[in-house]
Amino acid sequence: KAGVTQTPRYLIKTRGQQVTLSCSPISGHRSVSWYQQTPGQGLQFLFEYFSETQRNKGNFPGRFSGRQFSNSRSEMNVSTLELGDSALYLCASKGRGATEAFFGQGTRLTVV
Amino acid sequence: QKEVEQNSGPLSVPEGAIASLNCTYSDRGSQSFFWYRQYSGKSPELIMFIYSNGDKEDGRFTAQLNKASQYVSLLIRDSQPSDSATYLCAVNTPSPGGYQKVTFGIGTKLQVIP
Repeated sequence: KAGVTQTPRYLIKTRGQQVTLSCSPISGHRSVSWYQQTPGQGLQFLFEYFSETQRNKGNFPGRFSGRQFSNSRSEMNVSTLELGDSALYLCASKGRGATEAFFGQGTRLTVV
Repeated sequence: QKEVEQNSGPLSVPEGAIASLNCTYSDRGSQSFFWYRQYSGKSPELIMFIYSNGDKEDGRFTAQLNKASQYVSLLIRDSQPSDSATYLCAVNTPSPGGYQKVTFGIGTKLQVIP
């Protein structure tokens, strides 16, 4: 069974640009959560999608948005990038009725 | 107060010793608790989860939960250099809308010295 797949693995963007990250969950998993990980703040929750609906949202500015498609694949978008957005972005999927989440390998975003 | 608190470490233990990793949480409504291991440059991987008070053992790992004290711990027996990683405590808490939200601690860096 394939794991959670995130693309791309690495990205370098310039301040002010926007970026879209993709996450394909484990087959059959309908819940996808996104996290930002930085050395100082640890893993911070961005949002969770389930069946194409956002059902949880963390404390991030509106520049961070996401969506989920009917096949459960999810995308995260960050507009007007700032240097502080440089981080590892992780997505995790959960199965039906499960509480444990499985992570993808992450996308390392560097904003210069 | 942070929702999930962990000492960032590093915690250094000699090979073969017991490593004890601790985590406290603030929301008494929290229902399930997880330990993830994250090697440098890699993504977190689930080691164990626990729902009920008491101990849960899996091989060299034991998770302990005390809901009255809002405390979760992870013991690693016979620590190996390959256990050197950051250990993340995660807590599942109810959020508005009736769903569950997973909150992570900052993680404790464990170093096992050969």
